[in-house]
Amino acid sequence: EAQVTQNPRYLITVTGKKLTVTCSQNMNHEYMSWYRQDPGLGLRQIYYSMNVEVTDKGDVPEGYKVSRKEKRNFPLILESPSPNQTSLYFCASSSNLQTTHGYTFGSGTRLTVV
Amino acid sequence: KQEVTQIPAALSVPEGENLVLNCSFTDSAIYNLQWFRQDPGKGLTSLLLIQSSQREQTSGRLNASLDKSSGRSTLYIAASQPGDSATYLCAVILNRDDKIIFGKGTRLHILP
Repeated sequence: EAQVTQNPRYLITVTGKKLTVTCSQNMNHEYMSWYRQDPGLGLRQIYYSMNVEVTDKGDVPEGYKVSRKEKRNFPLILESPSPNQTSLYFCASSSNLQTTHGYTFGSGTRLTVV
Repeated sequence: KQEVTQIPAALSVPEGENLVLNCSFTDSAIYNLQWFRQDPGKGLTSLLLIQSSQREQTSGRLNASLDKSSGRSTLYIAASQPGDSATYLCAVILNRDDKIIFGKGTRLHILP
């Protein structure tokens, strides 16, 4: 089944403890992206990647890192999480935004930083 | 700067009614527009994608239209059912930089 898989689904961590949220897609998509979703603010893009070894900042990149060493994986790294990074995170992928396929989303990761 | 607006933010209608959700965008230089459904705490499920050269797309009881010149899209849901209750988001993909901009969604509640 074609899908975007995020892990973990739920995570509670303490301030300052480094964590990684994994994202993997099995559709050979070139484009991958991370979003956070907060009440009243909607979906905001954190980082995106047009292809392997190519990453760019989205609208809210501060406090996050990403890497794209291989096509299928696009992990989101929080080096020193803070409570304001408590949010619902989504990974998404597309073969190419300028095609008929659009976006496929993962199921989300709910992160709580205490 | 491209802005995507969805009005109303929330909507309740009785089961069986036909309804229209609205999406407007400020910059008509889009490549395509996509409608999504999101259930509480869950991911986004793609419903319909309209290329900028198209006027509408249909899938079952759903019909999405696009008027690029006026910066508007509508999602029409026929014969609404309680299972249609969810948040519906529209998103546009910009020509110039492949950015995708989301609206904040319309939270739909179908009353049994």
